[in-house]
Amino acid sequence: DVKVTQSSRYLVKRTGEKVFLECVQDMDHENMFWYRQDPGLGLRLIYFSYDVKMKEKGDIPEGYSVSREKKERFSLILESASTNQTSMYLCASTPVWTGELFFGEGSRLTVL
Amino acid sequence: GENVEQHPSTLSVQEGDSAVIKCTYSDSASNYFPWYKQELGKGPQLIIDIRSNVGEKKDQRIAVTLNKTAKHFSLHITETQPEDSAVYFCAAGAPGANNLFFGTGTRLTVIP
Repeated sequence: DVKVTQSSRYLVKRTGEKVFLECVQDMDHENMFWYRQDPGLGLRLIYFSYDVKMKEKGDIPEGYSVSREKKERFSLILESASTNQTSMYLCASTPVWTGELFFGEGSRLTVL
Repeated sequence: GENVEQHPSTLSVQEGDSAVIKCTYSDSASNYFPWYKQELGKGPQLIIDIRSNVGEKKDQRIAVTLNKTAKHFSLHITETQPEDSAVYFCAAGAPGANNLFFGTGTRLTVIP
């Protein structure tokens, strides 16, 4: 089975802190994604990566950056966390684009 | 870009009844339409998908129908069971775009 692991399930941070959300997949997938999930807004794409060191902006990249130094790991970075970034963050991966996304269990971030 | 609308946002049914969730999309180039189920505390998981060369697909109690002319597709769950209670997301994807656009989700509650 594909396993996508998000290292932190729950985080509480202060406004202005730098936040790292880590995601690791164990199936050698080319593509990795970071989504943000908010009630009534569904899943919105922040960034995705189709190869090591490659990244593409999604629909809501403002305030976020990403890093993909190794194929299995995709990190989401909040350079200076703000309260409006309080949300559930979902990482996903897929092999050469087939459509099916494999999601992690999510990281719930609260920014105070 | 693609815009996916999903209705209803909440749905309650009695166990054994059917449930229908509807989605519309805007981009006529979209040709891949998956449905994801998200159980409490977990990431979304693909339950069924359909591509634009077919109008209907069934998998046991779950079926998806697609009307490309009207740009809408629906998820049908028959003989609902309490374990069907979850949030369901529809999505749409276009060829050449390694991304999906998600609806806003439907919280389905099956009442025993």
